Amino acid sequence: DGGITQSPKYLFRKEGQNVTLSCEQNLNHDAMYWYRQDPGQGLRLIYYSQIVNDFQKGDIAEGYSVSREKKESFPLTVTSAQKNPTAFYLCASSMDIRNNQPQHFGDGTRLSIL
Amino acid sequence: AQKVTQAQTEISVVEKEDVTLDCVYETRDTTYYLFWYKQPPSGELVFLIRRNSFDEQNEISGRYSWNFQKSTSSFNFTITASQVVDSAVYFCALSGSTDSWGKLQFGAGTQVVVTP
Repeated sequence: DGGITQSPKYLFRKEGQNVTLSCEQNLNHDAMYWYRQDPGQGLRLIYYSQIVNDFQKGDIAEGYSVSREKKESFPLTVTSAQKNPTAFYLCASSMDIRNNQPQHFGDGTRLSIL
Repeated sequence: AQKVTQAQTEISVVEKEDVTLDCVYETRDTTYYLFWYKQPPSGELVFLIRRNSFDEQNEISGRYSWNFQKSTSSFNFTITASQVVDSAVYFCALSGSTDSWGKLQFGAGTQVVVTP
């Protein structure tokens, strides 16, 4: 089945540690996105990528980094500079950005601080 | 700047009642798109509908219907004859043109609780 796979489902981070969240899609979509969701709030855009080897900062990029070396993969690293990383992280993809096609979402990764 | 307001934090209904979720948006773009997503307890977001700013026709899909009114910048969502499976958080979202292509601005969401 085509879709978006996020792993792991749950992740714990120690102080001063970088952690990487995986996002893989087999929908052949050009665009991919990372969002953060805090309790009782909507989703906020962290980073997005329109095409391989290209990505842009979203509204809350500080403390995060991404890479887009393959079309199917868009991993997100939560660095030690992100002082409040506890949140639900959702990855999404769409056919492209400019036509405002619907975004399809993965099941999310729940990150907590130990 | 773009903004989406979902003023209702939580709505509780008994099964078979209708429920309407409000969404009010702000944008300076003349071309923009509005979306509704459903987030069940499992966490993933499920796409429900996309509407562009030039299409003000209301839409019905089964028990779901949407009312787009440009004059009041609203894009409301109604679930008719609600069922327990409709219990979820529903998000309204907006994406515009120029530098905001494809970048979704989400509202805070409305939690719908349907009890038997």
